[in-house]
Amino acid sequence: DAGVIQSPRHEVTEMGQEVTLRCKPISGHNSLFWYRQTMMRGLELLIYFNNNVPIDDSGMPEDRFSAKMPNASFSTLKIQPSEPRDSAVYFCASSLPGGGTEAFFGQGTRLTVV
Amino acid sequence: AQTVTQSQPEMSVQEAETVTLSCTYDTSENNYYLFWYKQPPSRQMILVIRQEAYKQQNATENRFSVNFQKAAKSFSLKISDSQLGDTAMYFCAFMKRDKIIFGKGTRLHILP
Repeated sequence: DAGVIQSPRHEVTEMGQEVTLRCKPISGHNSLFWYRQTMMRGLELLIYFNNNVPIDDSGMPEDRFSAKMPNASFSTLKIQPSEPRDSAVYFCASSLPGGGTEAFFGQGTRLTVV
Repeated sequence: AQTVTQSQPEMSVQEAETVTLSCTYDTSENNYYLFWYKQPPSRQMILVIRQEAYKQQNATENRFSVNFQKAAKSFSLKISDSQLGDTAMYFCAFMKRDKIIFGKGTRLHILP
């Protein structure tokens, strides 16, 4: 398996634009996580899905952020409109069912909003 | 809600020395899992070690070992015979019911 695949690796956008980050989890993994990494706040859990259903989105900063998982092999994180304070590295991760297994991470998307 | 605290934002040690990274967490749960992840400059998140809360024995993976104190809610990572390649950010993580939360990380520098 190629691991968790995220795209794009880097994204530079202007304030106010819509940004969509994409993730393909490892086949057979039924949990999917979106994290945001900044120097100040470390790795924050934004939202996670179980069997394509959002379980906990309490970490989503505000209504400008939304995430979807239309099927087991694809998820998106959208920011609309984007703001400079959204600049961060966004990670997607997936894990096997049953609990207790580690999360496998993608390479992350470095987002810069200017 | 669970929280994970890493009280050492940054540490430096000489190559070949032993270093301990601290982690505490807060939970009312009895069964859960704890992890240490390493993030080198490449940005890739790499699992270092895992501990099941129901196991009293501390987990060990080669030069990496943990000191798991359940009552104190403490989960420290010990790196023995540190190597230059150990230079990275280290994150402590707590997992319960498929939800995984992380501490803010400790940046570790191994000095030649």
